[in-house]
Amino acid sequence: AQSVTQLDSQVPVFEEAPVELRCNYSSSVSVYLFWYVQYPNQGLQLLLKYLSGSTLVKGINGFEAEFNKSQTSFHLRKPSVHISDTAEYFCAVSFPGAGNQFYFGTGTSLTVIP
Amino acid sequence: DTAVSQTPKYLVTQMGNDKSIKCEQNLGHDTMYWYKQDSKKFLKIMFSYNNKELIINETVPNRFSPKSPDKAHLNLHINSLELGDSAVYFCASSQDGRGYEQYFGPGTRLTVT
Repeated sequence: AQSVTQLDSQVPVFEEAPVELRCNYSSSVSVYLFWYVQYPNQGLQLLLKYLSGSTLVKGINGFEAEFNKSQTSFHLRKPSVHISDTAEYFCAVSFPGAGNQFYFGTGTSLTVIP
Repeated sequence: DTAVSQTPKYLVTQMGNDKSIKCEQNLGHDTMYWYKQDSKKFLKIMFSYNNKELIINETVPNRFSPKSPDKAHLNLHINSLELGDSAVYFCASSQDGRGYEQYFGPGTRLTVT
């Protein structure tokens, strides 16, 4: 069975501090990995993706994530957060060539404190 | 230009009514989806269509019926609305069925009273 676990449901962090949002997945086959951001009352926007190649992936708004196959993780990081980063963040996994279903984590609510 | 659009953005209706939500994408994608996001922000896929053909049909009451007139449109019709149908419904699209990224619409907040 495939699943995605976001270990923290809420993460408060002070402005300009670094942040890491954790994501682990379970799968016995190759995966594609994604991070999406959802601002209040908006749809989901793709932050970054890992399909293959370099395990360090850079995305929009200064975010990056590292794919760690041995630990089955894809943690999202930003060295210095802004108030505007306050949002819900979703990790998702899909499977190359195995159909088009995404499996989403339960989300992490990031609150940046002034 | 909006890549994935949905109408309406808000929908308030009474129990027992029938309503539709429309979705259009101008990305030239082959695959479209409907998701339901509950009050705890949990995202659940409902349906997936590839080039007008139903691919994924998760455990969803048969009161929900998707319709795809062409590959750029995927509408969601809901019969006999219930209180538990209140949620935000998202349409999404992707280039094909190989698991690549999905692009989401702005969502439709459905409130059933």
